[in-house]
Amino acid sequence: EVKLVESGGGLVQPGGSLRLSCAASGFIFSNDWMMWVRQTPGKGLEWVATIRGDGGDKYYVDSVRGRFTVSRDNAKNSLYLQMNSLRVEDTAIYYCARGSGWLVYHWGQGTLVSVSS
Amino acid sequence: DIVLTQSPDSLAVSLGERATINCKSSLNLLASSDNKYYLAWFQQKLGQPPKLLIYWASTRESGVPDRFSGSGSGTDFTLTITSLQAEDVAVYYCHQHFHSPLTFGGGTKVEIK
Repeated sequence: EVKLVESGGGLVQPGGSLRLSCAASGFIFSNDWMMWVRQTPGKGLEWVATIRGDGGDKYYVDSVRGRFTVSRDNAKNSLYLQMNSLRVEDTAIYYCARGSGWLVYHWGQGTLVSVSS
Repeated sequence: DIVLTQSPDSLAVSLGERATINCKSSLNLLASSDNKYYLAWFQQKLGQPPKLLIYWASTRESGVPDRFSGSGSGTDFTLTITSLQAEDVAVYYCHQHFHSPLTFGGGTKVEIK
């Protein structure tokens, strides 16, 4: 059974940092693209970042490029999202997702990030 | 960016009746390399993450009931639930994975009439 379990969310002040983690199991992690997608009541679903299986290529939505960094540790079957210079508009549920190529194929349960003073 | 416009925003359907959700793309989602439409549909129930229902516009994901079907071509796509069940109450999203940035439709809320 495929499982994706996110952690690391919480309340942070504007300008602060958080690191999200995602523990994956039930599939060959290093074979698959992984991604982060966030969801807010106002903006709906928004793709954030994608990383290829070997970690060599990374892609970001414009609104987070330069502030967020996606990475992975294939030895630990783990995906990460380092979020710096956080803004109020980054408040969302962040989902870790397994990709089939670019297709968002399987989602974790999500972790809530709240950016507020 | 490719914009996906879903309609309607919400609909109420009687149990056993048909529900139809539309998704219009601002760009043709057909890839000439493999002749596939890079359009998927997700179902999201309250308090849960989205779940993949349909990919390549019309291919049902394993385990998805056959009352769910996807159709369409070019820029216009449809998700049909042929006989609505109580467990189908959810928000449904279309998603394009044809071009970065990946985008999603705004969602359609399906309720029981």
